[in-house]
Amino acid sequence: DGGITQSPKYLFRKEGQNVTLSCEQNLNHDAMYWYRQDPGQGLRLIYYSQIVNDFQKGDIAEGYSVSREKKESFPLTVTSAQKNPTAFYLCASSRGPNQPQHFGDGTRLSIL
Amino acid sequence: QKEVEQNSGPLSVPEGAIASLNCTYSDRGSQSFFWYRQYSGKSPELIMFIYSNGDKEDGRFTAQLNKASQYVSLLIRDSQPSDSATYLCALGADRGSTLGRLYFGRGTQLTVWP
Repeated sequence: DGGITQSPKYLFRKEGQNVTLSCEQNLNHDAMYWYRQDPGQGLRLIYYSQIVNDFQKGDIAEGYSVSREKKESFPLTVTSAQKNPTAFYLCASSRGPNQPQHFGDGTRLSIL
Repeated sequence: QKEVEQNSGPLSVPEGAIASLNCTYSDRGSQSFFWYRQYSGKSPELIMFIYSNGDKEDGRFTAQLNKASQYVSLLIRDSQPSDSATYLCALGADRGSTLGRLYFGRGTQLTVWP
């Protein structure tokens, strides 16, 4: 079955720690995206990538970093510079511009 | 930055009624529009997408696009309690430096009561 796999489902971060959220897709999609959703809020774009080895900042990139070394994978690192990381993180992929985005099941990140 | 406005609701309709969800947008040049459904605690799932003016139907769902008036709507016929969710409107950045990204509204919460 094709789909988008995010792991872990739940993640806890200690003060001063970097954590990495995994996102893998086997849909052969070119584009991948990371969103953050806070309770009762809409989706905010963190980073996105249209092709391998290239990515763009979204609206709230500060305190986050990404890489796109493989078409299937787009990991997100939440750095210690992100002072309020508690949120629901969603990864999505699409075939390209103008195409629908499909979402993974998300990762819930909390501070210990 | 493209603005996407949705009534936050909540919208409450009885079972069997038509639920109408509306979305207005600021960028007259937008070409692609999407509706997502998000159940509480879950990730968004794609319901409909529409690119051309007019109506597009899929089962109980109809998306309506009016580019001249800059609005897109989603109609849910024969609403069921299982349709109770937050509905997100999104439009695509179809050109320029932000090509490929979507701009989301904040969502409309729908409750269908039995």
